[in-house]
Amino acid sequence: GNSVTQMEGPVTLSEEAFLTINCTYTATGYPSLFWYVQYPGEGLQLLLKATKADDKGSNKGFEATYRKETTSFHLEKGSVQVSDSAVYFCALIRMDTGRRALTFGSGTRLQVQP
Amino acid sequence: EPEVTQTPSHQVTQMGQEVILRCVPISNHLYFYWYRQILGQKVEFLVSFYNNEISEKSEIFDDQFSVERPDGSNFTLKIRSTKLEDSAMYFCASTQGRGGREAKNIQYFGAGTRLSVL
Repeated sequence: GNSVTQMEGPVTLSEEAFLTINCTYTATGYPSLFWYVQYPGEGLQLLLKATKADDKGSNKGFEATYRKETTSFHLEKGSVQVSDSAVYFCALIRMDTGRRALTFGSGTRLQVQP
Repeated sequence: EPEVTQTPSHQVTQMGQEVILRCVPISNHLYFYWYRQILGQKVEFLVSFYNNEISEKSEIFDDQFSVERPDGSNFTLKIRSTKLEDSAMYFCASTQGRGGREAKNIQYFGAGTRLSVL
């Protein structure tokens, strides 16, 4: 079946540090890949997405590249801010099967200190 | 920006009681979903709903669970007889469902209902 593995948190960084949150997936076929973010007290918000190999999703300074050869979709940001403190979820969907259920990773908590 | 609304934000119930979790999806969306997240664990898919019927469900979604769209705006999850292990955060989501691949893919989530079963 499909699965998503994320690095365990919490990840604690100082402001302006470089961020990488690793995500790898297991899926047959051609999944679409997503990063969702959950700020304290809020729901899951789509941060970025990529629908095919070598696509790069980007938003709010975050980037992730869909690497089929390494089955990875690592999240990066060049300079984090305190306001980026949140839980980040990597997820996939197998649209080619007609299924619409998202498969999530376990989430990685990011704490950015001033 | 339109959003998915869930009520209540926190529900406390006694084991064996029925609970109904409520969601108002984005108004022009066609597909609706429930997910749950037990504390410290992954977000897990429960069920998807389209055209007034369940289109997909997971192994978690057993006979204790049911979903309904009682009117044109609400989407509910009912747990008939709650168990301690039903304690979790429950998320509702919706998808436009029309248009290109991207429009169909993007699920918009509510803030969740925390269910505590005592």
